[in-house]
Amino acid sequence: DAKTTQPPSMDCAEGRAANLPCNHSTISGNEYVYWYRQIHSQGPQYIIHGLKNNETNEMASLIITEDRKSSTLILPHATLRDTAVYYCIVKMAGGSEKLVFGKGTKLTVNP
Amino acid sequence: DTGVSQNPRHKITKRGQNVTFRCDPISEHNRLYWYRQTLGQGPEFLTYFQNEAQLEKSRLLSDRFSAERPKGSFSTLEIQRTEQGDSAMYLCASSPQNFGNTEAFFGQGTRLTVV
Repeated sequence: DAKTTQPPSMDCAEGRAANLPCNHSTISGNEYVYWYRQIHSQGPQYIIHGLKNNETNEMASLIITEDRKSSTLILPHATLRDTAVYYCIVKMAGGSEKLVFGKGTKLTVNP
Repeated sequence: DTGVSQNPRHKITKRGQNVTFRCDPISEHNRLYWYRQTLGQGPEFLTYFQNEAQLEKSRLLSDRFSAERPKGSFSTLEIQRTEQGDSAMYLCASSPQNFGNTEAFFGQGTRLTVV
């Protein structure tokens, strides 16, 4: 079972920041937080991951709380092409290599 | 295109037939994964290879399913005696070897419809 909880859906206006929350209250010390997204009829696409510190790349920012029990994915200027299902996944360093996907958050960016 | 390639993209088969899907990972990625995704659900892990060795299999991978990666490059997933419940998107992913802190790159998937 997925170890994360996400809202099933969210809406965002084009050009505004999209903030997608994720709860992972049972995360352990050696588990990373990964974010993937899946645009309709395509394979999942890696966005970003982190362990403790906040991370930023060309796609998004990942903010992890100090206790690591929750995180937020931030798309700073959402576009219509960001409409997708966003998955938050907790994965241990080493051990099983599988990604355990939940149902994710369906983000709809509106014009 | 240097991404993960899956063929065919779509497959329609009659119940009881065997089907085989192929996945070509990103070159030099020695880890390869198969997932299955049904409508409205997130992908579910099926199996994982490191080079040619199949290191982990989900209980979802019944004895009608078999996956191979004979030379540590491309992989095939075969489903024997297909059932309607096998209708799904089958996704392949690959990643470079790294000690846990990796990202997986997914292909576009093969959509199987069993009629």
